[in-house]
Amino acid sequence: GQQVMQIPQYQHVQEGEDFTTYCNSSTTLSNIQWYKQRPGGHPVFLIQLVKSGEVKKQKRLTFQFGEAKKNSSLHITATQTTDVGTYFCAQQRPGTYKYIFGTGTRLKVLA
Amino acid sequence: DAGVIQSPRHEVTEMGQEVTLRCKPISGHDYLFWYRQTMMRGLELLIYFNNNVPIDDSGMPEDRFSAKMPNASFSTLKIQPSEPRDSAVYFCASSYLGQGGEQYFGPGTRLTVT
Repeated sequence: GQQVMQIPQYQHVQEGEDFTTYCNSSTTLSNIQWYKQRPGGHPVFLIQLVKSGEVKKQKRLTFQFGEAKKNSSLHITATQTTDVGTYFCAQQRPGTYKYIFGTGTRLKVLA
Repeated sequence: DAGVIQSPRHEVTEMGQEVTLRCKPISGHDYLFWYRQTMMRGLELLIYFNNNVPIDDSGMPEDRFSAKMPNASFSTLKIQPSEPRDSAVYFCASSYLGQGGEQYFGPGTRLTVT
């Protein structure tokens, strides 16, 4: 099936370090969503980006949508152990309500 | 609201048996999605409904899989006959377009086919 690449696949950081995950598409997107899944849990919605070049912040999390609406990033400043989990982007296919989830980036935070 | 409800939470069955997974979406939501998650293939969209009507089932693996939504508060995903490669976590999610499309996921059903 279709897959959206996210990089990196895994990231281990020391608590207090920053973390960034990237989501790329070969096509222009309608919008992009980000989700977090804790180990053993289910995906939980974080944010949706719609506009070209959009930047949104949620406390230590910063989300960006590329100018061409083909890529996005999630940056976490000063990671904490509560940030552990897998972060997914989800891309909406234009003209549909179908979302394709990225491969995910698994974040481990070492105390 | 209790959120999206899925049952059972765990299912262990033998190859060849029929499996039925159930989902109750959040009241008032007009979209319902079925996803499958495995280590190898990640989180895959199987099918989604809008106002109880299937819109896109292109992600359904094969004819052994079928999904229904008889009313706004209930959906099923059936696998018949089941095979070991169907082992995965199956998530149901719902959303309301008027709220911008945020998807609310259920806790998932962990299916093991032996």
